Amino acid sequence: LAKTTQPISMDSYEGQEVNITCSHNNIATNDYITWYQQFPSQGPRFIIQGYKTKVTNEVASLFIPADRKSSTLSLPRVSLSDTAVYYCLVGDYSGAGSYQLTFGKGTKLSVIP
Amino acid sequence: EAGVAQSPRYKIIEKRQSVAFWCNPISGHATLYWYQQILGQGPKLLIQFQNNGVVDDSQLPKDRFSAERLKGVDSTLKIQPAKLEDSAVYLCASSPGTSGIARGRTDTQYFGPGTRLTVL
Repeated sequence: LAKTTQPISMDSYEGQEVNITCSHNNIATNDYITWYQQFPSQGPRFIIQGYKTKVTNEVASLFIPADRKSSTLSLPRVSLSDTAVYYCLVGDYSGAGSYQLTFGKGTKLSVIP
Repeated sequence: EAGVAQSPRYKIIEKRQSVAFWCNPISGHATLYWYQQILGQGPKLLIQFQNNGVVDDSQLPKDRFSAERLKGVDSTLKIQPAKLEDSAVYLCASSPGTSGIARGRTDTQYFGPGTRLTVL
């Protein structure tokens, strides 16, 4: 089972900043938080990964509070091309003992013109 | 840099038939993954290879699914016989398999475009 909870869907107008919050109440001390983006008919694409405080790259920012029980993906000034499903993931150990990512249903972001 | 290649992109078969998918990972990537993504859901890991050895196949329905990664490069995933519920997109991903990666930190996975399978 995925260790995260995030909204099923969100709408936003073009040019706005979008914040998608994910809860991970049972995150382990060593776990990192990772976000992937998936466009229709494509495989997921890595966006950003972080452990604490704030991480920023050319695509997005990731804010992680001190208790690390949640995180927020921030997309600045979204455009229509940002319409996609966004997955928040925390790793977990499988039954076979390997550390891996378990995808939930993600958040479907729809950007409106 | 070339991405992960998969073929075919689409496949339609009847139930009880067999089907095979092929994946060519990014050059030099040690780890290869096969995922199944049913419409409206997130990808589900079926099997993970490190070089040509299986790391995890705990969610692979072994009575009908098989996968191999010969010579630690290309991989094939086979379904025999297919069932209606196997209709899904099959995604292949690869990652560098960086050694010494911090505990709890996962390697970035690079996904292919997927193969959409329809079982009639």
